[in-house]
Parts: sequence; structure tokens; C-alpha cells
Amino acid sequence: DAGVTQSPTHLIKTRGQQVTLRCSPISGHKSVSWYQQVLGQGPQFIFQYYEKEERGRGNFPDRFSARQFPNYSSELNVNALLLGDSALYLCASSLGSNTEAFFGQGTRLTVV
Amino acid sequence: AQTVTQSQPEMSVQEAETVTLSCTYDTSESDYYLFWYKQPPSRQMILVIRQEAYKQQNATENRFSVNFQKAAKSFSLKISDSQLGDAAMYFCAYRRINAGNMLTFGGGTRLMVKP
Repeated sequence: DAGVTQSPTHLIKTRGQQVTLRCSPISGHKSVSWYQQVLGQGPQFIFQYYEKEERGRGNFPDRFSARQFPNYSSELNVNALLLGDSALYLCASSLGSNTEAFFGQGTRLTVV
Repeated sequence: AQTVTQSQPEMSVQEAETVTLSCTYDTSESDYYLFWYKQPPSRQMILVIRQEAYKQQNATENRFSVNFQKAAKSFSLKISDSQLGDAAMYFCAYRRINAGNMLTFGGGTRLMVKP
């Protein structure tokens, strides 16, 4: 069975641009969560979606948004990119909203 | 707000030896979950072990075990018979009950395994 898949693997963007990151959960999983991991730090929670509804939001500015589609895949959008948005963005999926999370390999975003 | 602290940025262990990674946390909740995740160079976070706070018995998964001290808010990970494949970043994480998958992670400990 395929695990959590994220695309693209790597991405380079310029300050002020917008970016969309994509995540496909494990088949049958209805919840997707997004985390930001800055180099040398632990991941920080951004969003959780369950059954296409936002179930949790971390302490991130409104430039960060996400959505979940009917097939449970998800997109994370970041507008007006800053140098500080450079990080590894991790997606995790789970069967339910409170069950074990399985992580993808992340998207490495570099803002120049 | 909950915080998770890992005071050891790096640890080193000889192959086949035992190593303990430390983690402390701060919470006002009485029931919660604690986790240890491993992140190898492939970047994927892999769940190593999980502990429910209401369970007094320490969790064990093969060579991995925890020492959960609820009163002290301490949650250490012991790796026995260390293998080269254990080399990775290790993150301690906390989650409130019914908080979805909102995990609070510590800053991580890099474990090096010497042959």
C-alpha cells in the first residue's frame, strides 16, 4: 500500500510569490494534518482537516491556508512568501481525527 | 500552552550498547499522549513508541522502551542493543486527548551510532 505522498519533493520560490503544496493520504484515511519544520527544529502544527472541514489551526499567519478535497487529498497554500517560510513541510494522514498519524517525506521549500 | 523540551541536542552510542534520550514536558492536563518519533535522512517521521498518560505501565516496542514519570513530567526513551540503522533525529511529542493530530514536538536529539 502506498504511504502518504507529497509533491513536489523540492521547490524554490522567490519572496512575494505564492506556493501550493500537495498531499495524498493513505487510502482510507480521512484526516490530513500539515506541519512546518524549520531546519534544526521540531515540526510545528499548521492545520488539520477531517472530512473536508478544518479541525485545528496552529499559530500561523493568514498567509497560510489549506483545503481538503472530496477524495481526502489536501493542498497547503502560502501567499506572499517570506525568507522565513523556508522549511520542510510535512503532511500526515490518519484514519480518524484522533488516531495515529502517518507522515509523508515532506516538501522542501526554499524561498530566495 | 504545552511545551516539550529535549535537552540533549546530540547523543552518541556504540553499536550494541544502550542509550537513553531525555524529554520533559509541561502541561496542566491530566490525560494525554506522549510519543517518540524517529526522522532519518529520508525526512519521513516514523512513530517509534507511544504512551498514554493514564497507563502506569511503561510502553515497550522490541528494543525501544520508555521511562514515563508523570509527576516529574518526564518521558525518556531507552534504545537497547543499538544498531547502525538507529542513527537519526529523535523527536519527543505531546498530544492532548481529543486534540486531533495537533502534536507538539520538542527540538529533537541527533543520535549517532558508532560501529
